[in-house]
Formats: sequence, C-alpha cells, structure tokens
Amino acid sequence: NFMLTQPHSVSGSPGKTVTISCTRSGGSFVSNSVQWYQQRPGSAPTTLISGSNLRSSGVPDRFSGSIDSSSNSASLTISGLKTEDEADYYCQSYDTVNHLWVFGGGTKVTVL
Amino acid sequence: QVQLQQWGAGLLKPSETLSLTCSVYGASFSGHLWTWIRQPPGKGLEWIGEITQGGSTNHNSSLRSRVTISADMSKNHFSLKLGSVTAADTAVYYCGRRVATPVHVDLWGQGTLVTVSS
Repeated sequence: NFMLTQPHSVSGSPGKTVTISCTRSGGSFVSNSVQWYQQRPGSAPTTLISGSNLRSSGVPDRFSGSIDSSSNSASLTISGLKTEDEADYYCQSYDTVNHLWVFGGGTKVTVL
Repeated sequence: QVQLQQWGAGLLKPSETLSLTCSVYGASFSGHLWTWIRQPPGKGLEWIGEITQGGSTNHNSSLRSRVTISADMSKNHFSLKLGSVTAADTAVYYCGRRVATPVHVDLWGQGTLVTVSS
C-alpha cells in the first residue's frame, strides 16, 4: 500500500496562485494516475481533474494538474484565486496491486 | 442530465446494519461501475467499495467483512450495507459513478449523513 500526503492548508490572496502538493510514499505515480476533487463546505465533492491534468467539464482553466516524477508528487495549481475557491481539495490515486483507492488527507484552501 | 440520488436511514444504534441505496437517473446503469465513499465528520474521504457492471465487487480491506454492495439493474440502483456499525462508522456516505481508467469518481451523489448513537 502507499499513502498520499497533502499539506493541511494553503492560503493566498485573490488573484494570486496557490499550489497544493500530493506526495506519494512508496512506488511511483503513473503519468495519468492522479485525480483532484474540490469540496466546498457542506457540499459533496466534485471532480476537478482526472488523469493528472484533464479538467472535468465546466472546470475553469485556472485549475491545472501536474506530476513531478523526480519528487514522486502531484500538484494542483489554482491561478487567479477567487473567493469561491475556498474549499477542501483532495488528491486520489489507485493502488493497482491491491485494487483499492487511496485518498490524500485533504488541503484546506483559504482566500485571504 | 445524469444524477445520483441516494437515500437510507440516518440514525442507527450500535450493532445495527447501515443500509443505503443510490438511484441512477439519466445514464445507463449497466454501462458503468459504481462506488461508495464515506467521510467522517471533519475528516477526509475514505473509499468503501465498488461494484462492476457484471456484479463483481471489491471492498476496502478494513471494512470488507462488514460490507455488502449489490445492484439491481432493473431498478437502476445499487446499494450499500454495512453490518455491526459502531460510532466510528458515523459519516457522510456518498455514492458515485466510477470511471474505469483512470480510476476515479466523475459523478457524486448528494451524500447521506449516517449517525450511530445509542
């Protein structure tokens, strides 16, 4: 099994850029194997990005995903930060050996 | 528009069985895989299990012996049963449509808060 580690929180001012990391312990990310979900307070999660960098329908291009193989981590970048981006963000991958889903612990984004 | 609507009992006593159902509207039930995920209050997401088009299931090993996921294609819905619940099973439970590759949820139910309390 592997774990996904995210920072507990990140913050930024409106219009700025924030980046959320998701570091995998053990093994390595396959290039298309990370997903990102957004969960606003009191709401169900919604899917932002799949396959590491493919935005779901309706997701603005201010949201982008990437993988850095050298650090075995994935990142979600939010540019042009808006107050509506205040939410919890979760990364997720799949353990193909044990056939189970793995979620990161979530990162709270605060817009200052 | 594709929607998932879930329902079930929201308050259980310890040792009872949690039972939730998720109905699929606007999509072919048999053409997809389906999953259950939960979120304890103030905590992160935890995958519970999934069911394939053919009815095969796969569960989180930490819950496996207590979890049953089933589907009724004639009614376009799938269900979750979790036996012998304790307070630790208190959570919001979400159903979801699971994409085969890469594995993820592309459509979420609205969530159901299940509280286990004596």
